[in-house]
Amino acid sequence: NSFLTQPHSVSESPGKTVSISCTRSSGSIASNYVQWYQQRPGSSPTTVIYEDNQRPSGVPDRFSGSIDSSSNSASLTITGLNTEDEADYYCQSFDGNNQVFGGGTKLTVL
Amino acid sequence: QVQLVQSGAEVKKPGASVKVSCKASGYTFSSYGIIWVRQAPGQGLEWLGWISPSSGNTNYAQEVQARFTMTTDTSTSTAYLELRSLRSDDTAVFYCARVDGYNFDHWGQGTLVTVSS
Repeated sequence: NSFLTQPHSVSESPGKTVSISCTRSSGSIASNYVQWYQQRPGSSPTTVIYEDNQRPSGVPDRFSGSIDSSSNSASLTITGLNTEDEADYYCQSFDGNNQVFGGGTKLTVL
Repeated sequence: QVQLVQSGAEVKKPGASVKVSCKASGYTFSSYGIIWVRQAPGQGLEWLGWISPSSGNTNYAQEVQARFTMTTDTSTSTAYLELRSLRSDDTAVFYCARVDGYNFDHWGQGTLVTVSS
């Protein structure tokens, strides 16, 4: 069982809103900060959200992060989708011993 | 500006060793940790471990701690990842990244290590 579980893929149309979930299997999602990384094909990952809901400078405010204790999950929400958002997205957090990445979600904007 | 520049692609035979470098610039190297991440072809990101350049302290993922070693050279602002007893399933792109608090905020361009007989 994965510590952080993400949907394998999501798709949505340009201009729409999409949310990607990241469910923690054990312990509270609020116990450790969650980060989100975007990886476009052939490129290194870059941070889009850190510390659950903080945006690095240069990341558009179309990107937002949240956590939900009731579902023990974190979410990355992207509004006003455009083709540049098409990428793999990874959540990341700490399991008490090591840093862990979710399996990644492929976002298709079609 | 912060930059992490990694060494070039490597092709190795099973059982061999390889050392990947990650040269930092644009910041005080000893003030930030460095992590290493592996990405097998078509797969996701896998955290391998962390090193503190100032202390040399390390923390490895259990799966790799017997064969992988992380070191740093503060005189050249360079981090290293040595992989020993290479296997075909070690074929991957290896990334270094700077740790700023909880965030891996700057990444190297990646180094492809191919293990093939």
